[in-house]
Amino acid sequence: AQRVTQPEKLLSVFKGAPVELKCNYSYSGSPELFWYVQYSRQRLQLLLRHISRESIKGFTADLNKGETSFHLKKPFAQEEDSAMYYCALRGPSGSARQLTFGSGTQLTVLP
Amino acid sequence: DSGVTQTPKHLITATGQRVTLRCSPRSGDLSVYWYQQSLDQGLQFLIQYYNGEERAKGNILERFSAQQFPDLHSELNLSSLELGDSALYFCASSAFSAGVGDTQYFGPGTRLTVL
Repeated sequence: AQRVTQPEKLLSVFKGAPVELKCNYSYSGSPELFWYVQYSRQRLQLLLRHISRESIKGFTADLNKGETSFHLKKPFAQEEDSAMYYCALRGPSGSARQLTFGSGTQLTVLP
Repeated sequence: DSGVTQTPKHLITATGQRVTLRCSPRSGDLSVYWYQQSLDQGLQFLIQYYNGEERAKGNILERFSAQQFPDLHSELNLSSLELGDSALYFCASSAFSAGVGDTQYFGPGTRLTVL
């Protein structure tokens, strides 16, 4: 069964400090991994996905298949990064396409 | 706004009742997904429709059902409601059912409170 684990429910860092939100997954195959973000009173929105290897708002995430991890990183956190972050997994093309979400990490960036 | 829309925003009802949640996908998207977000279960996939047909089922209770209409909007019907059904229900849409890179876009959610 596919599973996504985000070990930290809450994470606080100071503005300008590096931040890393952890995500581990279990899946017998090659999944697609995503990070979604939910700012206060807004809808869930896609932040980035591993296949794009892109950097959005200064965030990056590298898929480590050996450690089955997809941690989200940003070198210098900003107050506007405060939000709920969800890691999600999806099976490869041809399989079920729904997202399996982690429990989320509430990031607070302190001034 | 051509994004995913959901109505109503809030719904308060009593145990044993039946409610219908509505979702309109982004223009051109053929797939609709329903998710339930509760405090104890987190975000859980319920069901997916693609171009009017059921495509995948998740942890959806038998008391719940959904459909997608010819104009591609979808409705999630929840019946014999229990206190534990109180949650935020999200709808998402995407262009295709399969294919790498197919992005799901989420609606603002409907908050259901069962008293």
